[in-house]
Amino acid sequence: GAGVSQSPSNKVTEKGKDVELRCDPISGHTALYWYRQRLGQGLEFLIYFQGNSAPDKSGLPSDRFSAERTGESVSTLTIQRTQQEDSAVYLCASSLGALLEQFFGPGTRLTVL
Amino acid sequence: DQQVKQNSPSLSVQEGRISILNCDYTNSMFDYFLWYKKYPAEGPTFLISISSIKDKNEDGRFTVFLNKSAKHLSLHIVPSQPGDSAVYFCAASGSGGSNYKLTFGKGTLLTVNP
Repeated sequence: GAGVSQSPSNKVTEKGKDVELRCDPISGHTALYWYRQRLGQGLEFLIYFQGNSAPDKSGLPSDRFSAERTGESVSTLTIQRTQQEDSAVYLCASSLGALLEQFFGPGTRLTVL
Repeated sequence: DQQVKQNSPSLSVQEGRISILNCDYTNSMFDYFLWYKKYPAEGPTFLISISSIKDKNEDGRFTVFLNKSAKHLSLHIVPSQPGDSAVYFCAASGSGGSNYKLTFGKGTLLTVNP
């Protein structure tokens, strides 16, 4: 079985542009998470999806960030009007349930010039 | 305000010796702790965990110790192998409805020299 995949692996954009990052979780995993890791920092929780429940968006740093998930499949994280401080590695993880081991994808490295 | 702290950015040990990675936390609501290992260009992979009802959990060469009164945990790797060279993240989650949220430390880069 394939692991969590993310695309693109690298993204370079200009300040002010919108970007969309994609995550394909492990098939059958009901829970999906997005994290951000800035240079020299730990992973920061951004958003959590569990089945059809309302997502926990409490970690999103501003209203420029949004995420969607269709059912228990693909998720997209959208950052509008990107700023230089948005430069980071964005990691997606999935798990069978909310309290179970999280499996991480390789991340998308976003660079905002 | 860092709730999970890994104060050593890096650690270098000789193959065959013990590696000890340390982690401190400030939030007394944390009751579940995990260690993740990360190789370059890969996502973190789960290594070992411990619940606050225990003070030790062992899995092969890896042992995690928890000292709740000191709000301190450590990961011991014995014997260390060159393939253990990676960044190790300590993470914690709390009780209650949002216990899926993991709070991570900044990581410690472990280098095991042959």
